[in-house]
This record gives sequence, structure tokens and C-alpha cells, in this order.
Amino acid sequence: AQSVTQPDIHITVSEGASLELRCNYSYGATPYLFWYVQSPGQGLQLLLKYFSGDTLVQGIKGFEAEFKRSQSSFNLRKPSVHWSDAAEYFCAVGGTGTASKLTFGTGTRLQVTL
Amino acid sequence: GAVVSQHPSWVICKSGTSVKIECRSLDFQATTMFWYRQFPKQSLMLMATSNEGSKATYEQGVEKDKFLINHASLTLSTLTVTSAHPEDSSFYICSGQGNRRNIQYFGAGTRLSVL
Repeated sequence: AQSVTQPDIHITVSEGASLELRCNYSYGATPYLFWYVQSPGQGLQLLLKYFSGDTLVQGIKGFEAEFKRSQSSFNLRKPSVHWSDAAEYFCAVGGTGTASKLTFGTGTRLQVTL
Repeated sequence: GAVVSQHPSWVICKSGTSVKIECRSLDFQATTMFWYRQFPKQSLMLMATSNEGSKATYEQGVEKDKFLINHASLTLSTLTVTSAHPEDSSFYICSGQGNRRNIQYFGAGTRLSVL
């Protein structure tokens, strides 16, 4: 069965500081990996995805993530955080089949201090 | 990017009544739609997967007679919570998947409060 672990429930960073959110996955084959962001009371917005190829993927809003197969990780990074980045971040893993289900991690709540 | 509209954003109903939530893909054809439930400060739990014109596939533990899903067209899926009870109060989110396989686009969610 596929699963996702986000070890950090809550992270606080200062505006302008760098950010790294951790994500570890368990999947039987090569996974499709995603990062989504959710603002309070809102749906999810796709930040970036990894399907294949270059293991460093760029997303929207200045985010990037690196797929490390040996560590089963897909950590999300941003070099300089903005106050508007405060939100809940979800890592998800899916299969390669059509209409493959996504399994989400429990999320990391990011707080940004000014 | 693709847009999914979900309506209503918030609904309050009395216990025992039914509530319908609509999920529309506005600028793409969603061959598959997914319905999730999210409890406060928790992750999304998949409830069911529906393909246009077919019966929905429900996850284990989800009552299909309570959560009726209809996916009658490539742009519309509905979730009806029948005979709602306070324990059904939650945040329900839909997503649509089109030609770009494996990418789901999410609606803004519906907060259901059952009194």
C-alpha cells in the first residue's frame, strides 16, 4: 500500500528565511509525487509534480522539490519565504495508472513571522 | 491551469435532511472525479472515485447509500449526503482529472454543518 509521511506538523520560519518541508513516501514502483498547498477554508492548489526525468522540479511561487529515490523522499524547498506562503502543505503520492488515486500526507502547517 | 468550481462553499442543514454538493470542471473535461473528506487539521481522505457515465467506486468504510455520487457528464459530478447527521459535518473537496493523467485539480471545498 502506498503511504506518505510528513514528519513536521508545524513549522515556523521568519520572512525571508529559507524553507524545507520534508516528505517521505512508500510505494511499490516508481511513484508520481505532488506537492499541494491549501489556504484556510480553501481547496488545494498544485505547486509542483514529479513524474520522471530531472529529479529537481520547479513549481509555482518559487518552490522546488527534489526526488531522491534512495531516500524515498520528495522534500519541498523555497530559498526565501514570503508572509503569503503561510498555509498548509500536503505531499501526495500516486501511481502511474489512469485515474490513479492520490494518497496524501497529514500536512505541514507553515507559519511565517515578520 | 484547469479550474474546478465547487458549490456551495458552505451549507448548514438540519439533521435528517439531504444535501447536494456540485463539482464542475470549467475549462476541461473531467473524465474522472474524486471526492474527499477532510476533518479539521487533518489530511484528505478519499471517499470515492467516479468516471463519467459509470457507477462510483467507493473506498472501504464509505457508505455508498449515504454518500450518493453522480457523474452524469464530463463537466459535472454531484455528491449527495442523504439523511445527514451531525457526524457528517466536515469539509468535502472534489477534484477533477482530465486528459493530463494523474493530475487532479481541486475545487475550493464545501463546509457542511449538520445541526
